Amino acid sequence: KNEVEQSPQNLTAQEGEFITINCSYSVGISALHWLQQHPGGGIVSLFMLSSGKKKHGRLIATINIQEKHSSLHITASHPRDSAVYICAVRQLGGTASKLTFGTGTRLQVTL
Amino acid sequence: DTEVTQTPKHLVMGMTNKKSLKCEQHMGHRAMYWYKQKAKKPPELMFVYSYEKLSINESVPSRFSPECPNSSLLNLHLHALQPEDSALYLCASSLSGGLNTEAFFGQGTRLTVV
Repeated sequence: KNEVEQSPQNLTAQEGEFITINCSYSVGISALHWLQQHPGGGIVSLFMLSSGKKKHGRLIATINIQEKHSSLHITASHPRDSAVYICAVRQLGGTASKLTFGTGTRLQVTL
Repeated sequence: DTEVTQTPKHLVMGMTNKKSLKCEQHMGHRAMYWYKQKAKKPPELMFVYSYEKLSINESVPSRFSPECPNSSLLNLHLHALQPEDSALYLCASSLSGGLNTEAFFGQGTRLTVV
């Protein structure tokens, strides 16, 4: 079992829909990252969270440390949101430099 | 400048070739990373440099040789690669290698070994 699990693995939505991607982890963490990867490769860091909630534009990320769970929400989705969304954690007690990645959620937003 | 710049974007090399991947950042970050990513898989950490010194080598074969000539530059020297080494190679940097530091990623070099 992976230490970081994401669901769903694949998601298709129509433009304008509200989207939720979930991340569950089984280890103690110091921080959780949400990353976006477009086809062609480059990765963009969306959020880094250690508690609570963060908002940036149409994106909202929440984390519940007790339940070891985080969600990424996209409001009013748009085709340009189509990408792979990756959850990654920094483990407590592990090497500070290492991120443990989830397997990603592939999002396709159609017109 | 919040960019991590990788060159080249694409590289095709033969199994007997020697080539290098380059990564550059001017954000004053002191930790730099190489990741390897196969199709539809998450990135796998290869190397971490912290203050220009190699701090993590994730048991990477010696045909991959990292180099950090200064705090802004990170190279990955490639020699005698195998076709299974074909992948997207991502560079990243962070302010330090410590906890709760945000990582910035480059666009990657897509490597094909023929």
